[in-house]
Amino acid sequence: RKEVEQDPGPFNVPEGATVAFNCTYSNSASQSFFWYRQDCRKEPKLLMSVYSSGNEDGRFTAQLNRASQYISLLIRDSKLSDSATYLCVGVNYGGSQGNLIFGKGTKLSVKP
Amino acid sequence: DVKVTQSSRYLVKRTGEKVFLECVQDMDHENMFWYRQDPGLGLRLIYFSYDVKMKEKGDIPEGYSVSREKKERFSLILESASTNQTSMYLCASSLDRFYTFGSGTRLTVV
Repeated sequence: RKEVEQDPGPFNVPEGATVAFNCTYSNSASQSFFWYRQDCRKEPKLLMSVYSSGNEDGRFTAQLNRASQYISLLIRDSKLSDSATYLCVGVNYGGSQGNLIFGKGTKLSVKP
Repeated sequence: DVKVTQSSRYLVKRTGEKVFLECVQDMDHENMFWYRQDPGLGLRLIYFSYDVKMKEKGDIPEGYSVSREKKERFSLILESASTNQTSMYLCASSLDRFYTFGSGTRLTVV
């Protein structure tokens, strides 16, 4: 079962570049989506929620396209500190409550 | 800030040992989860719990069990550790759909 799929990368970009990640999901019933960030040897941390109307937080923009069942994350003016793995996450409502389904992550490496 | 604490950062155990991984959260969250993370496979859900003494199987429960005797504590048990259970284990607790993870336990079974 592959409910959330994303390109593993790595994406190697220079500082200041704009980079975009896409993720597709197979469960059309999924209602909520998130992007998590995971640094090397650290735990995942919530980056931002994803809405159909778009969600912008500083240099980061997340977008949900329900018709095409994909989620995107755009990072503008990338910084060295943006280097991390970005996890696309959907909510599975198969049980009594929802639980998160994680993509395998897209690795970003920002170079000087 | 929600804090999720996993008792060990690194653990080395022998094949066949019974292993306990402990997780404690301090924000009175009802929902707690155990994941394992492996290269190329991402995070996979082992077990989760929405209430004390309640547990539900995730995607890969085989070889594991859990215990939730108190709301703040969710334990993962490897009944008889095997080398294929060498992995990073991540505990999480959540309020609604917003998860907070512990810093992980890297378990090596030799």
